[in-house]
Amino acid sequence: GQNIDQPTEMTATEGAIVQINCTYQTSGFNGLFWYQQHAGEAPTFLSYNVLDGLEEKGRFSSFLSRSKGYSYLLLKELQMKDSASYLCAVSDYKLSFGAGTTVTVRA
Amino acid sequence: SQTIHQWPATLVQPVGSPLSLECTVEGTSNPNLYWYRQAAGRGLQLLFYSVGIGQISSEVPQNLSASRPQDRQFILSSKKLLLSDSGFYLCAWNGQGTGNTIYFGEGSWLTVV
Repeated sequence: GQNIDQPTEMTATEGAIVQINCTYQTSGFNGLFWYQQHAGEAPTFLSYNVLDGLEEKGRFSSFLSRSKGYSYLLLKELQMKDSASYLCAVSDYKLSFGAGTTVTVRA
Repeated sequence: SQTIHQWPATLVQPVGSPLSLECTVEGTSNPNLYWYRQAAGRGLQLLFYSVGIGQISSEVPQNLSASRPQDRQFILSSKKLLLSDSGFYLCAWNGQGTGNTIYFGEGSWLTVV
């Protein structure tokens, strides 16, 4: 099975940077995913890491360390529309999700 | 391009009534299909997954069931709903061209009263 931990809430100011950490314990590993979920909506795919290192995609970057069971999602130049829940998910061919981190961006 | 749709988007059902949520995927064949539930303020819980027609795996014991009568159709059902079945139900898929990434349908809000 899998155990996935991430902080419950984070608050940051518009234009700032926020880092959301995720630690996991899994019996099998086939990749780590980050999804964004706005209130009342379905999650949308943000990033995928299967090898150690940093993946950059515009204002969003995701890092993975398989040996440490650790990942983070970095959100740069925060905008109000980035206020959402961010879900860390680990795949051992089917996805298991953490409870999500609610990020609130303040003006 | 591939798309996924599920319906109905919202429903309010009395305790003890039946449930049927439907999901279809277009633009691909032999997808892996999933049903997740998200209770208020909680994470996504995998309920069922299917790798092919008639092949259903259940992740948690419950009064829900799933069926896959056609390659790109996935149905979530219940004969008698409980109050605890309320939540946000999400169908998802992955397969050809997506690698391990799964993509979600729009979701169905179920309130059992």
